[in-house]
Amino acid sequence: AQTVTQSQPEMSVQEAETVTLSCTYDTSESDYYLFWYKQPPSRQMILVIRQEAYKQQNATENRFSVNFQKAAKSFSLKISDSQLGDAAMYFCAYCNNNNDMRFGAGTRLTVKP
Amino acid sequence: NAGVTQTPKFQVLKTGQSMTLQCAQDMNHEYMSWYRQDPGMGLRLIHYSVGAGITDQGEVPNGYNVSRSTTEDFPLRLLSAAPSQTSVYFCASSSPGLKTYEQYFGPGTRLTVT
Repeated sequence: AQTVTQSQPEMSVQEAETVTLSCTYDTSESDYYLFWYKQPPSRQMILVIRQEAYKQQNATENRFSVNFQKAAKSFSLKISDSQLGDAAMYFCAYCNNNNDMRFGAGTRLTVKP
Repeated sequence: NAGVTQTPKFQVLKTGQSMTLQCAQDMNHEYMSWYRQDPGMGLRLIHYSVGAGITDQGEVPNGYNVSRSTTEDFPLRLLSAAPSQTSVYFCASSSPGLKTYEQYFGPGTRLTVT
């Protein structure tokens, strides 16, 4: 079964600085999708960014970008110009073509003013 | 569009009681899933469905039943609640036709079993 590992339970960043959250996964499949979700205290799961495994180009969404290393099975999230509203739990997730989605344990991000 | 809705938002059960968590979506998505989220852990897949009449087990299916009689609804049944089922439950939907497999999540149900 696919597994997703987030090795940083907590991270902290100064407002306006850059932070990188790590994620690795294990799979024998060649076609899959990777996601970063944000969960604020409201509990709502919010999609931050997605990456299709067949695409070599790293996905970017405004201040959020990923470093996707398919051979290393690594999928890190970089947040630039961090804002107070970025404080939340961040979950890395893997999904195959059968809609079987697996999540990492999460990283709690704190943003210091 | 209401998106994905879940009822109730909160529920307290006694050990051995049964109940159904409701989930509905109005986006005509083929895929629907149930997850549980425990403290210090990510979401774990309980059951999922790729279409009406089709369901399959995820990582942690024991103690839960599902059925999918319509595209819109995907209820989760706890047959005999146990304290280990205390958790936050999320329902999600997605559409393979979108080619993104992005899951749209409901607001969650916090369940406490005493």
